[in-house]
Amino acid sequence: DTAVSQTPKYLVTQMGNDKSIKCEQNLGHDTMYWYKQDSKKFLKIMFSYNNKELIINETVPNRFSPKSPDKAHLNLHINSLELGDSAVYFCASSFLAGAGELFFGEGSRLTVL
Amino acid sequence: AQSVAQPEDQVNVAEGNPLTVKCTYSVSGNPYLFWYVQYPNRGLQFLLKYITGDNLVKGSYGFEAEFNKSQTSFHLKKPSALVSDSALYFCAVRIPGNQFYFGTGTSLTVIP
Repeated sequence: DTAVSQTPKYLVTQMGNDKSIKCEQNLGHDTMYWYKQDSKKFLKIMFSYNNKELIINETVPNRFSPKSPDKAHLNLHINSLELGDSAVYFCASSFLAGAGELFFGEGSRLTVL
Repeated sequence: AQSVAQPEDQVNVAEGNPLTVKCTYSVSGNPYLFWYVQYPNRGLQFLLKYITGDNLVKGSYGFEAEFNKSQTSFHLKKPSALVSDSALYFCAVRIPGNQFYFGTGTSLTVIP
């Protein structure tokens, strides 16, 4: 059973298009995250939801819109894609309280042409 | 501001030799400390964490890490490196009830 699963694994698209990435976790966690990993492998937090409520919203363009229909799902929609959006996007989950670790999905590699 | 530093972008070590990947942090309070490993084209995998107690924590794949409060460090170690340990390693800290802060990663290469 995959703990944190995200789809699709690869996206290749043209500038200006819109794309979505979906994420689901079956660990019973109450908090989910989106991270962006750039070409230098730096990890940057984008968003976090706790029980469907947005709790972290870093400086991210408005073209990025997360949505959490329930605490087990967190989707990311990106409008008007730009070249600089090319990266690997990781979904992760954890419990907000306590010392629990983050569990990561396998990543979605977005390439904007 | 909270920050995590991994001063070495790249660490090379011969197979069978001990390895150390360094991490220092600057956060308020008493954070929890973590190490993750990332293999090519994979997600980050949890290796070990420090919450409280013994300063030496043991984790997966024979890795361990030493917490030093006075130096605010949490260095990752392994007594004998394997070629299969070659990967990208991330240190992270978490203030209880708050987000995780990641270092910039250290690429470990174990030379046969």
